[in-house]
This record gives sequence, structure tokens and C-alpha cells, in this order.
Amino acid sequence: LAKTTQPISMDSYEGQEVNITCSHNNIATNDYITWYQQFPSQGPRFIIQGYKTKVTNEVASLFIPADRKSSTLSLPRVSLSDTAVYYCLVGDNAGKSTFGDGTTLTVKP
Amino acid sequence: GAVVSQHPSRVICKSGTSVKIECRSLDFQATTMFWYRQFPKQSLMLMATSNEGSKATYEQGVEKDKFLINHASLTLSTLTVTSAHPEDSSFYICSARDQFDTQYFGPGTRLTVL
Repeated sequence: LAKTTQPISMDSYEGQEVNITCSHNNIATNDYITWYQQFPSQGPRFIIQGYKTKVTNEVASLFIPADRKSSTLSLPRVSLSDTAVYYCLVGDNAGKSTFGDGTTLTVKP
Repeated sequence: GAVVSQHPSRVICKSGTSVKIECRSLDFQATTMFWYRQFPKQSLMLMATSNEGSKATYEQGVEKDKFLINHASLTLSTLTVTSAHPEDSSFYICSARDQFDTQYFGPGTRLTVL
């Protein structure tokens, strides 16, 4: 299983763009990269998933370089409600994957 | 997005009793579901992989006789914590994998064993 490494914490201010990078050096060929958001006492919420290059949806963008050894979640114009823990998950088609420690994002007014 | 439910959302029980937690995929079928446990201020820890119609696969260090998993249909998996003790108190979260191999998580179940 690919191990992921993220910054433990990040601070930002309302309205700013936030970029959280995840390192996954031993990602396998079949592995997808998925990002989740978790609030206290809730299950993780799906944000975005990608395999390579760039993926964008209504809430975030995901940038994956050609070597796929890292990925960056980009949150445009964050608000206070985006304060949460963000996890990147790398898993194969069997779905089995290991959660890293996640990044605690704190958005300040 | 896909929706996964869990029931109950929280449960308090006495030491020695068994507790069953249900995980349902509401709008998609899931041949594979996963069970996680999360302690305060820690990450999610995978306990077991639940496959419809077959035995669950447990992670190292997880007692299969204590955490019974049943995945009898494509939309339902259950986790039974048998003879629960205070050290089993935790936040239990399930996930279901859809046809695109994306995991969607339930809201979690807070178990408190007195």
C-alpha cells in the first residue's frame, strides 16, 4: 500500500486559495488519488479523485504531476466552514488504502 | 454524490454486551465495504474489508472473533462488536466502494462502553 505524507497543519484566511500537497512516492500504476474532508465526529466526505494531470469539480481542483509521486489539492477562496482535516488517499482497484495523518486546515477570519 | 448511511449514530452500552452497527449504501450497490475505527485526534484505521457473499478480511491486530462482519447483500454490511469493553469505545466508520472504485463514507457511529 502506498504511504502518504501531508503537512500536519496549515493556516489560511477567508477568501484565499489553499493548496495542500500530498506525497506518495511509491504509488502503483493502478492507484487513484482521492481527497477527503473530515469534520469532527463525522465521516470523511469525498472531495475529488484523479489519476493524472488535472481534475476540477465545483469545489476543488486536483493537480497531479507526470510522475504521480505527489498531488496537490487546491481549494479556491476558502471560508471559515472549510476548517477541517483533509486526507489524501491512494488506493488500487481493490479499494484498499491506508489513511495518513491528514492535514488540519484552519481558516481564520 | 453517493450516499452511505450508518445506524445507530451513537450507542452507549454496558461492558460485556454486544453491539451491532449497520452500514448501508443508499443509491448504489457495493460489493466491497470497509470498516474503520478512529480514536480522538487520530486518523482512520482500517479494521477490515467486507466482501458481499464471502468472509471479511481483517487487518493485522484486529480480532475477527471480536469484530464480526457480515455483508449479506450488495447494500448492507454489519459490524458486531462482541463482548464490548471500555477500550472498544471509539468512532466506527464504514465506507462503500462504488463501480468507479471510489470510497464513500458513512457518518460514523460513536460507541461508548461503560
